[in-house]
Amino acid sequence: DSGVTQTPKHLITATGQRVTLRCSPRSGDLSVYWYQQSLDQGLQFLIQYYNGEERAKGNILERFSAQQFPDLHSELNLSSLELGDSALYFCASSVVTEAGYGYTFGSGTRLTVV
Amino acid sequence: AQSVTQLDSHVSVSEGTPVLLRCNYSSSYSPSLFWYVQHPNKGLQLLLKYTSAATLVKGINGFEAEFKKSETSFHLTKPSAHMSDAAEYFCVVSPLSNTGKLIFGQGTTLQVKP
Repeated sequence: DSGVTQTPKHLITATGQRVTLRCSPRSGDLSVYWYQQSLDQGLQFLIQYYNGEERAKGNILERFSAQQFPDLHSELNLSSLELGDSALYFCASSVVTEAGYGYTFGSGTRLTVV
Repeated sequence: AQSVTQLDSHVSVSEGTPVLLRCNYSSSYSPSLFWYVQHPNKGLQLLLKYTSAATLVKGINGFEAEFKKSETSFHLTKPSAHMSDAAEYFCVVSPLSNTGKLIFGQGTTLQVKP
């Protein structure tokens, strides 16, 4: 268990719909990062929040938005969904492990748009 | 601009033989480099990280990587492969410290044959 919790694990929805993905970072960690993993684009950074504030932005579409709440959990909102949005969405948190300082990822939410 | 290239999309080895997964990077900054592993239907797990303290970095599960600035490489090795090592491996560069804006290679699938 990485300590980063993502829900739901799987999500199937239709084109044009809106979904919300949820992430709870490791206890005590202020940062949340969102990544998208798709077959054609690989793993791409979407956005980072730190203690409720947006810290960095990557290749995030305008149809996507995120926020971090006072309890530090984060939600990634995906709207007007298209078939190409089908992907594995990861949330990450900063951590120190026996392998050194790095970013720990949750197990992901697999989104399928039909 | 920063980038990372994994030279092999697929590597196949026999159990008990050495593993070599190749990675070249491009960075205008002194980079932080990582190797992550993703087992099927699992999240990403940090194997090791280079942060300029030592060129030979030891990670978990017997893996290690050597940073070679002259060759802009950060290859991952293991002396003896186990069946449980079968997974996808990602070489990652962080061009700006601690922003979480990690840049992932396309991944190398490691197959371990009995």
